[in-house]
This record gives sequence, structure tokens and C-alpha cells, in this order.
Amino acid sequence: EAGVTQSPTHLIKTRGQQATLRCSPISGHTSVYWYQQALGLGLQFLLWYDEGEERNRGNFPPRFSGRQFPNYSSELNVNALELEDSALYLCASSLDRAHYNEQFFGPGTRLTVL
Amino acid sequence: AQSVSQHNHHVILSEAASLELGCNYSYGGTVNLFWYVQYPGQHLQLLLKYFSGDPLVKGIKGFEAEFIKSKFSFNLRKPSVQWSDTAEYFCAVNALKGGGFKTIFGAGTRLFVKA
Repeated sequence: EAGVTQSPTHLIKTRGQQATLRCSPISGHTSVYWYQQALGLGLQFLLWYDEGEERNRGNFPPRFSGRQFPNYSSELNVNALELEDSALYLCASSLDRAHYNEQFFGPGTRLTVL
Repeated sequence: AQSVSQHNHHVILSEAASLELGCNYSYGGTVNLFWYVQYPGQHLQLLLKYFSGDPLVKGIKGFEAEFIKSKFSFNLRKPSVQWSDTAEYFCAVNALKGGGFKTIFGAGTRLFVKA
């Protein structure tokens, strides 16, 4: 069974540009979560999608947005990139939106903003 | 605001030593608790979780954790570590509110086990 996949593996952008990160959940999973892992800061919760709807978002500015498609894959968009957006962005999926489900993580996208 | 604290950022142990990693959270409502592990070069994966019932939960590879509600803690333990336990360990909390929840991770603890 294929795990959570993310693309691209690495992304290099300059300040002010926009970045689009993609995630495909495990087959059969409806919930997708996005996290930012900046150096030394652990995982910061960004967004949670389930069944195509945004269910919750973390304390990030509106220039961080995303969506979930009918096939449950998801996109994270970061507009007006700033240097401090440089981080590893992790996507996770879970079976559904039950609160006790474990999350399965992808390998991440390393975003570098120059 | 909800938060999760992992008290040790780096731990170095010799093989066969006992391990206890601390995790405390700040949230007064209902929680589900998780420990995830990231081995070198691998993805984050679940070690164990608690959502109800016996507060002492057992996970993979001989790990266990105890939920002490009065102390808002969910410490991870292993009686005898192995070199292969070298990894980064993350405590996570699902804070339930209004039919939904938010997942909050601790900053992680890097464990190095000397052979």
C-alpha cells in the first residue's frame, strides 16, 4: 500500500513569490493535515481538510491557504513568500475526521526562500 | 493557548539504560495523546496513542506511556533502550473542541543511544 506522497521534494523560491505544495493521502483516507517544521521549532499545525472542507487552521496568516480535491489530494499555497517561511512542510493523512485516528506522514517538501 | 512541552531536547543514553521522556500539555478539555517517532532518514510514524480506557498504553518496540490526567502528563518510557532507538520523539495532543480538534506537537526530543 502506497504511503502519503508529497511533491516536490525541494522547492526554491524568492521573497514575494508564491509556492504550491502537493500531497496525496493514503488511499481511503479522507483527512489531510499540513504542518510546518521550522528548524528547532517542532511541527506547527497549519491546516486540516476533510471531505473537501477546511476543518481547522493553525495560527498562520491568511497567505497560507489550501484546498482539498474530490480525490482527497490536497494543495498548500503560500503567497507573498517571506524568508521565515523556509521550512520543511509535512503532510499527513488519517482515515477520517475521528479525533483518535493516528496520522500517517509523508516525507515532506523542503521550501527554501531566498 | 494550548501547548505541549517536552522537557528534554537532547538525551544521550548507553544501551540497556532506562528511558523516560517527559511530555506535559496545557489544555483543560478532552484530549487524545500520541507519541510519534522519526528514525534517521524515515518518516514520522506512530509509537503509541491514548484516547480512553487504561491510562497505561503499550506501543511498538517495547515502548509504553502513562496518561496522568491530574498532572497533564503523558511520559514515554522504555526499560532498556537499544542502539536502534536512536531517533527523534514527538509528543502530540489532539485537543477536542466543538466537535473538532486541533493537533499540537511538542518540539521533539532527540535521543542518541550509544552502542
